[in-house]
Amino acid sequence: DQQVKQNSPSLSVQEGRISILNCDYTNSMFDYFLWYKKYPAEGPTFLISISSIKDKNEDGRFTVFLNKSAKHLSLHIVPSQPGDSAVYFCAASEDDKIIFGKGTRLHILP
Amino acid sequence: GAGVSQSPSNKVTEKGKDVELRCDPISGHTALYWYRQSLGQGLEFLIYFQGNSAPDKSGLPSDRFSAERTGGSVSTLTIQRTQQEDSAVYLCASSLVRVGEKLFFGSGTQLSVL
Repeated sequence: DQQVKQNSPSLSVQEGRISILNCDYTNSMFDYFLWYKKYPAEGPTFLISISSIKDKNEDGRFTVFLNKSAKHLSLHIVPSQPGDSAVYFCAASEDDKIIFGKGTRLHILP
Repeated sequence: GAGVSQSPSNKVTEKGKDVELRCDPISGHTALYWYRQSLGQGLEFLIYFQGNSAPDKSGLPSDRFSAERTGGSVSTLTIQRTQQEDSAVYLCASSLVRVGEKLFFGSGTQLSVL
């Protein structure tokens, strides 16, 4: 049973617009959430994280929102740029294990 | 080097053979993780090492899979009697202290079992 779910396998967004990537989780014991970005033939790279005691964390064009009651988090990228085209993984941690979702492929359209 | 290093980058093997995948974590990182990504799938947790503690092996899919970490640094993932379903990208990651700290990933080993 998947504990971290990314229900959209892919998303296309016009350059300059906002990209919103969603993630749902089932384990209420998760205490930290992270987003990773992956280009082909490379390992994932850390993007942004949020502790379960917060509801928002912002870093430049990237903002992560956490809704604990809904067990939902989202990553907002604004404005979207061509270099943002990649696969984005949502991840959650409990104790010493990090569980990843299946990823969402983001296409930024010119 | 400054990053996580994995070798080989690509490995093609025949069904039934054993393979060893190597990971050199970032110096000083006490936590080391192995994940695999099968085609069209997410990152599947395999095993986690933290310092001198017993590893968390809960993600290993079968007893054909094993991993060790020598001297708290280099790790080797061994797959015995490989099967075609073992074909995947095997990713290693390390972090400084504990979960919640960001993971630094290597570029992975693409394993193809023919």
